[in-house]
Amino acid sequence: DTGVSQDPRHKITKRGQNVTFRCDPISEHNRLYWYRQTLGQGPEFLTYFQNEAQLEKSRLLSDRFSAERPKGSFSTLEIQRTEQGDSAMYLCASSPSGAPYEQYFGPGTRLTVT
Amino acid sequence: EDQVTQSPEALRLQEGESSSLNCSYTVSGLRGLFWYRQDPGKGPEFLFTLYSAGEEKEKERLKATLTKKESFLHITAPKPEDSATYLCAVPMFSGGYNKLIFGAGTRLAVHP
Repeated sequence: DTGVSQDPRHKITKRGQNVTFRCDPISEHNRLYWYRQTLGQGPEFLTYFQNEAQLEKSRLLSDRFSAERPKGSFSTLEIQRTEQGDSAMYLCASSPSGAPYEQYFGPGTRLTVT
Repeated sequence: EDQVTQSPEALRLQEGESSSLNCSYTVSGLRGLFWYRQDPGKGPEFLFTLYSAGEEKEKERLKATLTKKESFLHITAPKPEDSATYLCAVPMFSGGYNKLIFGAGTRLAVHP
């Protein structure tokens, strides 16, 4: 399977704990995106990487959130001091340089903060 | 402000009963409109890209059309396996980079 993969698929954590999610994009795609989706809503943009450079961050991404993409390959999204409002599906997508608008999504990581 | 609005929020159809989903948008300088299908607990699956008014794309029982203000996803003789949430999105050009602005989706249920 050469699609976008995410790990873990589900994460339950207690309020105040830190969590980290991983995304492996399609290998030839140089652009990588993180989105957040809550129940009944469409995905909301969080941040964007082109190769290893983080080029844009949404104001939704508070100081507790940090994302990296070392060497322009996989990416991680870390949430520090989780809050109940962080409970959501976190989606990763990638796109090729020739068609940046065509984003292919992974299966997502479902985060539940108790 | 760029916005994408989908209607209806939910749609229940009998198998074989054709219908259309609507996606209206307000963006400056449309650079394409995208339709995705999302099954429960999964990430969105890319369906169609439309780039200019008058363009149409088809895939099995689905046909997407685009005007200057809205897009329609027509579903002809749907089957239960077409049940899913259908999302539309437009790219927002922000500082030279591209992010997708999504609508809230239409939850389609097709009953036998």
